[in-house]
Amino acid sequence: DADVTQTPRNRITKTGKRIMLECSQTKGHDRMYWYRQDPGLGLQLIYYSFDVKDINKGEISDGYSVSRQAQAKFSLSLESAIPNQTALYFCATSDPTSGGSNEQFFGPGTRLTVL
Amino acid sequence: AQSVAQPEDQVNVAEGNPLTVKCTYSVSGNPYLFWYVQYPNRGLQFLLKYITGDNLVKGSYGFEAEFNKSQTSFHLKKPSALVSDSALYFCAVRDVYSGYALNFGKGTSLLVTP
Repeated sequence: DADVTQTPRNRITKTGKRIMLECSQTKGHDRMYWYRQDPGLGLQLIYYSFDVKDINKGEISDGYSVSRQAQAKFSLSLESAIPNQTALYFCATSDPTSGGSNEQFFGPGTRLTVL
Repeated sequence: AQSVAQPEDQVNVAEGNPLTVKCTYSVSGNPYLFWYVQYPNRGLQFLLKYITGDNLVKGSYGFEAEFNKSQTSFHLKKPSALVSDSALYFCAVRDVYSGYALNFGKGTSLLVTP
């Protein structure tokens, strides 16, 4: 969805390096999410945010941190990358109205390789 | 726990034939269920959702899904498959305990052959 953008699209880094993945959205949604996709495992939730002051851990937050710089921006950081963090990372947004019945809109993904 | 399961890693179907991609759910309370499709090198695209109401839900690209409470299933269907439908399909359920994030199944790869 062009309304949700992610940079970079591809990144190769080395073990121990710090790396930041960025997500921006123009949909005006308060809720933003970071997921990780591994082959055969589906997507797993890393962090989610309801607004700039409300950030919460997901099921696989260890080794990751996030920053919600503004309503439209939600960044994911790997403080010290390790090879098993090699994966496809997705950012998503959703409209908080309707009690959570609304679908999420996904960015195109960032393919991260940690050597 | 709110979870879904997709029992098939891959589904093969000939073009023009009907297709079904299976999904079962396990939730406490009323399930909010979703189907997404992922094409190669693309993000996930929303197909359809079940919140309440009619058990047959119609979505994008001619897809539909049938909610069956007694069988706790939410199978994705299409009457006539196209080669362009070949992609990875994910079933998901809303997780009320994680900020309304989605809990995804492992995905089912659909291959439609000419």
